[in-house]
Amino acid sequence: GNSVTQMEGPVTLSEEAFLTINCTYTATGYPSLFWYVQYPGEGLQLLLKATKADDKGSNKGFEATYRKETTSFHLEKGSVQVSDSAVYFCALSAYGGFKTIFGAGTRLFVK
Amino acid sequence: GAGVSQSPRYKVAKRGQDVALRCDPISGHVSLFWYQQALGQGPEFLTYFQNEAQLDKSGLPSDRFFAERPEGSVSTLKIQRTQQEDSAVYLCATEGRNTEAFFGQGTRLTVV
Repeated sequence: GNSVTQMEGPVTLSEEAFLTINCTYTATGYPSLFWYVQYPGEGLQLLLKATKADDKGSNKGFEATYRKETTSFHLEKGSVQVSDSAVYFCALSAYGGFKTIFGAGTRLFVK
Repeated sequence: GAGVSQSPRYKVAKRGQDVALRCDPISGHVSLFWYQQALGQGPEFLTYFQNEAQLDKSGLPSDRFFAERPEGSVSTLKIQRTQQEDSAVYLCATEGRNTEAFFGQGTRLTVV
């Protein structure tokens, strides 16, 4: 079945450090891939998405590239800020937004 | 409304009690999803509605869980005879035109 695996946290970085959160997936067909973010005390919100191979999603300085050959969708940011402290979820959907499958989440602390 | 609204935000139930969790979706959004998020885990799919039709309930963990959306707008997730393992955050989401899911803030259920 479809699944998402992302690196365990917590990840602790200093401000302005480079961030990578690894995400790999298993899916039949051609899923859409997403990163969601959950700030403290708030609901999940979409950070970025990519709908086909080699697409790059980007938002708020974060980027992720849909790599079909390695079944990966790693999240990167060149310079993190304290305000980026949150839990990040990698997710996939095999039928548009229907039945989105989430990874376990990676907590990021920026100090 | 402007976003997905869930109520109550917090619910403490005694084991064996029935609970009802409410979701007010974004107006006009046809698709509605319920997820269960255990502590330290990602959300797990429970059930899916398209308008008033429940098209997939494969994620409901037992027959104690029941969801409805009778008029294709507000949805209610009901849990009967709650047990401690039901303690989790229950998330409602609706899907917009570009397949982006909009989540409510969730209801944190604690069964004691």
